Amino acid sequence: DTEVTQTPKHLVMGMTNKKSLKCEQHMGHRAMYWYKQKAKKPPELMFVYSYEKLSINESVPSRFSPECPNSSLLNLHLHALQPEDSALYLCASSPGLAGGGEQYFGPGTRLTVT
Amino acid sequence: GENVEQHPSTLSVQEGDSAVIKCTYSDSASNYFPWYKQELGKRPQLIIDIRSNVGEKKDQRIAVTLNKTAKHFSLHITETQPEDSAVYFCAASRPGGGADGLTFGKGTHLIIQP
Repeated sequence: DTEVTQTPKHLVMGMTNKKSLKCEQHMGHRAMYWYKQKAKKPPELMFVYSYEKLSINESVPSRFSPECPNSSLLNLHLHALQPEDSALYLCASSPGLAGGGEQYFGPGTRLTVT
Repeated sequence: GENVEQHPSTLSVQEGDSAVIKCTYSDSASNYFPWYKQELGKRPQLIIDIRSNVGEKKDQRIAVTLNKTAKHFSLHITETQPEDSAVYFCAASRPGGGADGLTFGKGTHLIIQP
């Protein structure tokens, strides 16, 4: 399996809802990432997990909460989001510390906050 | 932190001509420079990358050059085809391999005119 998968593809949620985004890879990669991408902008790094430990948190608001249950799975828990959080949320993975920097992206979850 | 500048923001070329996109980076410790292609509504796709111990890399119609002294790298696409139309992002990351996120340029919208 050479893909990163993400569910759901689309998500609409109200500002009081709690939802989760899921990401999965079976390439044996040891680093996984969450990026946020607004329309016509580059992806912006949110979180990095390396060997299942959170190694980078780019000062993201606490209404976004990442979780890495195991080396293949990455979740992003969402709570009390704002309309400006509407964006494409991309998951990526890479081989990790020993494997170089190449990152492979999932198809993304298109999030709309109403 | 790292800062990546990318030019031009839009590039229109005739089918069959060459296209060149340029990026500069600020952190001399960065050692990995990938290029991603993103078609509308799709994930960023890694198309070519280069590491700081190499000056040039080629893959069929695509090539990337790196000048470490000047801290700039470029993407060259020859014999452009309609399917090359997309947004292209350059990126940079520091040593540590996959444990670091990528810092992206703002993107270049490449338009191939038939």
